[in-house]
Amino acid sequence: GQSLEQPSEVTAVEGAIVQINCTYQTSGFYGLSWYQQHDGGAPTFLSYNALDGLEETGRFSSFLSRSDSYGYLLLQELQMKDSASYFCAVRDRSNDYKLSFGAGTTVTVRA
Amino acid sequence: NAGVTQTPKFRILKIGQSMTLQCTQDMNHNYMYWYRQDPGMGLKLIYYSVGAGITDKGEVPNGYNVSRSTTEDFPLRLELAAPSQTSVYFCASSYSTSSRLNNEQFFGPGTRLTVL
Repeated sequence: GQSLEQPSEVTAVEGAIVQINCTYQTSGFYGLSWYQQHDGGAPTFLSYNALDGLEETGRFSSFLSRSDSYGYLLLQELQMKDSASYFCAVRDRSNDYKLSFGAGTTVTVRA
Repeated sequence: NAGVTQTPKFRILKIGQSMTLQCTQDMNHNYMYWYRQDPGMGLKLIYYSVGAGITDKGEVPNGYNVSRSTTEDFPLRLELAAPSQTSVYFCASSYSTSSRLNNEQFFGPGTRLTVL
């Protein structure tokens, strides 16, 4: 099976940088995804890393180290609208069509 | 494109009642999924389908059934509702399963179900 660990909560001020770490254990890793979910809303896709390194999409970046079974999501120039839950999710060879989600990190942005 | 649509948005059931949660996607995706999300928790996979006529169990399938007669529709059936099934249910779909390609899942707005 798979297990993922990420912090439960992070609080930061507008304009700050937040890093959300995700460590995982899988039997055959394919890739790591990140999803954002606003309160009461549906999850929406942010990024996917299959190879080591940093992927940048605007203010958000995602990093993967396969050798360390570790990734992170970096949120820069935080805005109030970034207050949401962020989930890491793993694709695994034993579950090729599926994602296994972490419990999520609630990010609260304060003025 | 409407994307992934779900009905109903909200529902209250009594213990032992049955209901079907509807899910439709118009993106011609082969892969569809049903998740439940309990308060403050991540998403747990209930059932998934890799194409019309093909379904399989996820992590938490007990108490649920699915069918996939068309590419577009993937209904979830609760036969004998129990309080433990109080949750938010999300349907999702995706196109690619290639390990190197992004397997982005597109989610519907969810159905909030309470069983009393």
